Amino acid sequence: AQKVTQAQTEISVVEKEDVTLDCVYETRDTTYYLFWYKQPPSGELVFLIRRNSFDEQNEISGRYSWNFQKSTSSFNFTITASQVVDSAVYFCALTLLPIIQGAQKLVFGQGTRLTINP
Amino acid sequence: DGGITQSPKYLFRKEGQNVTLSCEQNLNHDAMYWYRQDPGQGLRLIYYSQIVNDFQKGDIAEGYSVSREKKESFPLTVTSAQKNPTAFYLCASRQGLGTEAFFGQGTRLTVV
Repeated sequence: AQKVTQAQTEISVVEKEDVTLDCVYETRDTTYYLFWYKQPPSGELVFLIRRNSFDEQNEISGRYSWNFQKSTSSFNFTITASQVVDSAVYFCALTLLPIIQGAQKLVFGQGTRLTINP
Repeated sequence: DGGITQSPKYLFRKEGQNVTLSCEQNLNHDAMYWYRQDPGQGLRLIYYSQIVNDFQKGDIAEGYSVSREKKESFPLTVTSAQKNPTAFYLCASRQGLGTEAFFGQGTRLTVV
């Protein structure tokens, strides 16, 4: 079974503060992919990043950075110098690779609602 | 432009009625998914499909049905057996193993 937990339901910070969104996953498989998505008020999910289980390098993209640690089964997301436009719901997701060709289940966490106040 | 189209954007259903939500993609993706989103519960998987004429139940399939007669289409029917259908429904598709999923803009279903 696979499971993703985002324990932080809501986070509220003042603009320009740094903020970290936590993601903890559960799987017995050794090969898997992790994702982060952003859901603005319009409702459509926007893809942010993908990471496979064999690549533990941290990733930085502008003000966004991701910390993947297999030892703690975590894939945390940090926004540096937050802006009001970062306000959204953020989801972490997990997918396993099937042993044989078949459908891949894509499982999401509960999401974290991030509010950046001016 | 390539993408995923969900229709309608808003849908109202009377209790006891079946209703079908449309999802069409022109990305030539193999896999398609349906999710339900309720406040505070994130996205829960209803059904998913890897190829035409084949689909699997997700975590909350009861009261829902799907079909995959064409690669580009994956309609979801919310039946009268679904006791609490009011929610936001999202359709997604993706190409290969481990690739990211692309989402439609969602359908907000309300039972009146």
